[in-house]
Amino acid sequence: AQSVAQPEDQVNVAEGNPLTVKCTYSVSGNPYLFWYVQYPNRGLQFLLKYITGDNLVKGSYGFEAEFNKSQTSFHLKKPSALVSDSALYFCAVRDFTGTASKLTFGTGTRLQVTL
Amino acid sequence: GAGVSQTPSNKVTEKGKYVELRCDPISGHTALYWYRQSLGQGPEFLIYFQGTGAADDSGLPNDRFFAVRPEGSVSTLKIQRTERGDSAVYLCASSAGQGHGELFFGEGSRLTVL
Repeated sequence: AQSVAQPEDQVNVAEGNPLTVKCTYSVSGNPYLFWYVQYPNRGLQFLLKYITGDNLVKGSYGFEAEFNKSQTSFHLKKPSALVSDSALYFCAVRDFTGTASKLTFGTGTRLQVTL
Repeated sequence: GAGVSQTPSNKVTEKGKYVELRCDPISGHTALYWYRQSLGQGPEFLIYFQGTGAADDSGLPNDRFFAVRPEGSVSTLKIQRTERGDSAVYLCASSAGQGHGELFFGEGSRLTVL
């Protein structure tokens, strides 16, 4: 089965500084990787995905992620953090089983951006 | 509506009662998913429908949990003889197919079993 790991429970960063939220993956075959964000008492919102092509993927709200095959990583990044970016971030991988597929999520990383 | 709609948004019930949670996916989306999210955890897969049929129900924790999607649109997650450990947020998501596309999530139904 495919899986992702998010090694940090929480990341703290000052507003205006760059941020990185880490994700590593374990898959057989080509990985289909996703990042989602969850604001308090809200559902998950899609940020970006990597299927194939350019290793640097750009997404919503100024976020981007870098796919690194040799390090099996898909870290989420943003050049300049905002207080409003504070939320819970989930990395996910498409898990194909026969004709079915689903997203398998990591445990999440809480991002706290302070003034 | 434009997004995935889930009702009720909050449900409080007593141990042993029966509960139904409803999901109305984005119009035209053939794939529908149920996930469960406990406090401080990532979403945990429960079941996936492609059309009317359950293509993968490997995540259902036991036979107290059941889901249907009789007309290939709205789905209902049914929980019998609820237990306190069933307390969680139940998330529904839909997507246009079973390929590479992203899932679109509803805001969830928060279930509390007293």
